[in-house]
Amino acid sequence: KNEVEQSPQNLTAQEGEFITINCSYSVGISALHWLQQHPGGGIVSLFMLSSGKKKHGRLIATINIQEKHSSLHITASHPRDSAVYICAVGAGSFIQGAQKLVFGQGTRLTINP
Amino acid sequence: GAGVSQSPSNKVTEKGKDVELRCDPISGHTALYWYRQSLGQGLEFLIYFQGNSAPDKSGLPSDRFSAERTGGSVSTLTIQRTQQEDSAVYLCASSSLAGGHALRTDTQYFGPGTRLTVL
Repeated sequence: KNEVEQSPQNLTAQEGEFITINCSYSVGISALHWLQQHPGGGIVSLFMLSSGKKKHGRLIATINIQEKHSSLHITASHPRDSAVYICAVGAGSFIQGAQKLVFGQGTRLTINP
Repeated sequence: GAGVSQSPSNKVTEKGKDVELRCDPISGHTALYWYRQSLGQGLEFLIYFQGNSAPDKSGLPSDRFSAERTGGSVSTLTIQRTQQEDSAVYLCASSSLAGGHALRTDTQYFGPGTRLTVL
């Protein structure tokens, strides 16, 4: 079993729909990251959170530490949101604020116009 | 300001040759990470450096892989005697201490990657 599991693996929706991507992890973590990878390959950090909820524009990320679960929501989805969304957790040795990331397999999101 | 840069962007090599991949982190970032993404696979950790501390090499897949970070800035990932299974996109990321707080991890900023193809 992977340390970080995402669901669904693939998601296709119509423009305007509310999107939810889930992430469960089995290791103790310092923080959970949501990343976005566009077809060109570049990776952008969307959120880093260790508790509660964060919001940025149409994106919302939540985490439940007790249940070891996080969700990424996209409101009013748009075709430009089409990308692979990756959940990652900071795990392992912690050296002065630096810690390796353990990644989920990613969720490929396609938003059709 | 400038982001994380990597070079070359693409590298094609023959099996058995050595390759060097370079990463320039964001200026002032003390932590530098190497990851790789094989075709159709997820991202996996290779190694990370933080300041003058000993690096965490726990993700290096074999002793053919090594990395250095000179002067606390630029890093080079070296793969010796390359194999076809080494073909992947190699990604570098950097981060700084979150507001100077040593016990809180910070956002990692990723470079564009180097696509390595071993023939």
